[in-house]
Amino acid sequence: QLQLQESGPGLVKPSETLSLTCTVSGGSISSSSYYWGWIRQPPGKGLEWIGSIYYSGSTYYNPSLKSRVTISVDTSKNQFSLKLSSVTAADTAVYYCARHVRRAKEVFDYWGQGTLVTVSS
Amino acid sequence: DIQMTQSPSSLSASVGDRVTITCQASQDISNYLNWYQQKPGKAPKLLIYDASNLETGVPSRFSGSGSGTDFTFTISSLQPEDIATYYCQQYDNLPTFGGGTKVEIK
Repeated sequence: QLQLQESGPGLVKPSETLSLTCTVSGGSISSSSYYWGWIRQPPGKGLEWIGSIYYSGSTYYNPSLKSRVTISVDTSKNQFSLKLSSVTAADTAVYYCARHVRRAKEVFDYWGQGTLVTVSS
Repeated sequence: DIQMTQSPSSLSASVGDRVTITCQASQDISNYLNWYQQKPGKAPKLLIYDASNLETGVPSRFSGSGSGTDFTFTISSLQPEDIATYYCQQYDNLPTFGGGTKVEIK
């Protein structure tokens, strides 16, 4: 059974860079069938897709965040990571990693449990 | 950007009731529409893909329909375990989600 697990600091100061890692187990991140994505959810609000990466390193991002986002992949560790720079309180959210199917259908079918990141001094 | 408008934002229904949620896209997205269920404190779960296809293992009381700009998600007989927030998500262009519909038991 595929499992995803987010990890990283739960508190980040304003203007600093948020860094999270998603570890994939029970399957290979190098599978040619899937992208791997990040989605966030501010407290009490809806879902926002941040961006996705292919095992080759090919990425695509939400235009509203593109200038601040970097997603990278480490196939040797079966992990992918998110960096969001110049954070403000508006970036406080639960951050989810998910498997992003982009063949025949396009869905987020496996999700991590999510990790709350608070931006505060 | 393609905007997804869900309605209602919340609803209250009795066990056994038929529940319907709508999602409207700001432009034609064909059938590139998915539905997710999110229970409190949990990650979203995929229920319906390509507007009307039931994901494996999802109970048949859940269904979806529509194409173009107007889509409907239905729970044919509401069960206590269906209390959750439901989101539509389009993928005609970059993925975007609707604002969500919170379903409660009356």
